[in-house]
Amino acid sequence: AQSVTQPDIHITVSEGASLELRCNYSYGATPYLFWYVQSPGQGLQLLLKYFSGDTLVQGIKGFEAEFKRSQSSFNLRKPSVHWSDAAEYFCAVGAISGTYKYIFGTGTRLKVLA
Amino acid sequence: DAGITQSPRHKVTETGTPVTLRCHQTENHRYMYWYRQDPGHGLRLIHYSYGVKDTDKGEVSDGYSVSRSKTEDFLLTLESATSSQTSVYFCAISAGADGNTIYFGEGSWLTVV
Repeated sequence: AQSVTQPDIHITVSEGASLELRCNYSYGATPYLFWYVQSPGQGLQLLLKYFSGDTLVQGIKGFEAEFKRSQSSFNLRKPSVHWSDAAEYFCAVGAISGTYKYIFGTGTRLKVLA
Repeated sequence: DAGITQSPRHKVTETGTPVTLRCHQTENHRYMYWYRQDPGHGLRLIHYSYGVKDTDKGEVSDGYSVSRSKTEDFLLTLESATSSQTSVYFCAISAGADGNTIYFGEGSWLTVV
């Protein structure tokens, strides 16, 4: 069965430090991959997506993610975290088996220390 | 902004009562979804629709029904609400130039007491 794993439930970083959030997926073919961010009490906002082509994708708010087929991973990175980045981050896999279904990871909550 | 409106945004209801959540979209998207979000579970698909009167079940569909009589509206009904259905419910649509990106509404907070 297809699945998405975000192994880190909570991550704490200092403001200005670099960030990497991990995402691993289980899917036979190359999936559509997404990262979303959710602030408290809000909906989910799309940060970036990967469908094909260049495996390093740039998103909004200075985020980037790299697709590594050999590791079935799509990790999210940011070189310098800002206090406003504190939120919950979700990785997702889409277009499962030719459908329009999407599967989400359980999320990683990011805390930023001043 | 994907033009998605959810109503009500907040609701408290009693166990055993029926509840309907409404999702309204303004941009004629074909695919619409209902997810629930719970701590430790992320987002789980309840039902989705691929056109008027065309719906299918997701992974947590028990206790829920949906209807789509118009392209713009996708209704989620809890026939007899239970405390386990206390959750945040998100409506979503597939859009984007490729049609394969999912966008979310602002959520509906439901408490069943």
